[in-house]
Amino acid sequence: EAEVAQSPRYKITEKSQAVAFWCDPISGHATLYWYRQILGQGPELLVQFQDESVVDDSQLPKDRFSAERLKGVDSTLKIQPAELGDSAMYLCASSLQGWNTEAFFGQGTRLTVV
Amino acid sequence: AQTVTQSQPEMSVQEAETVTLSCTYDTSESNYYLFWYKQPPSRQMILVIRQEAYKQQNATENRFSVNFQKAAKSFSLKISDSQLGDTAMYFCAFMKQDSGYALNFGKGTSLLVTP
Repeated sequence: EAEVAQSPRYKITEKSQAVAFWCDPISGHATLYWYRQILGQGPELLVQFQDESVVDDSQLPKDRFSAERLKGVDSTLKIQPAELGDSAMYLCASSLQGWNTEAFFGQGTRLTVV
Repeated sequence: AQTVTQSQPEMSVQEAETVTLSCTYDTSESNYYLFWYKQPPSRQMILVIRQEAYKQQNATENRFSVNFQKAAKSFSLKISDSQLGDTAMYFCAFMKQDSGYALNFGKGTSLLVTP
């Protein structure tokens, strides 16, 4: 069964260091989302891609976060410099293009900033 | 902006019993979708059930059903014949047509099914 792949599963980094997360969506899924989930809360959208174009990055802290999906397939989310408050689960999801299409989630990357 | 409220941070139910998780939302849109997602411990989030706002009939998926009250902006999830594998975080989510199909989640309800 096709799945959304994310790596690494866990990452510990020191404050002010750079960190990157990778996501490979389900083949054929045009839409890709990055969500951040703070412990005990629901996921919050950081950025959404349609193919290689950004659809919504209004909640992405652009002074330190960047995201790209250069060929419209896999995607990278980067944080530089990391701050203590960035500790969270970073979830990637993908879906077919269109209204009411199911979003499939990866297992996430658990980031701890020390 | 749409808000999704789940007022029950934690719930517990015995195996084989029925439990209902609550969700309310706030929107001025007339056309939207509502979802319940399940996030088991250390596993990825999966879709449990979805409801189109323009449909009056409540959605059902096996042991899972919803009570959708559009006027009250309420969307509760009923789990019948609860199983140990139902133990998970449950998130209610809202999607509106012009949001780029992104999901807006509530804070979740932690459900524990006990033997």
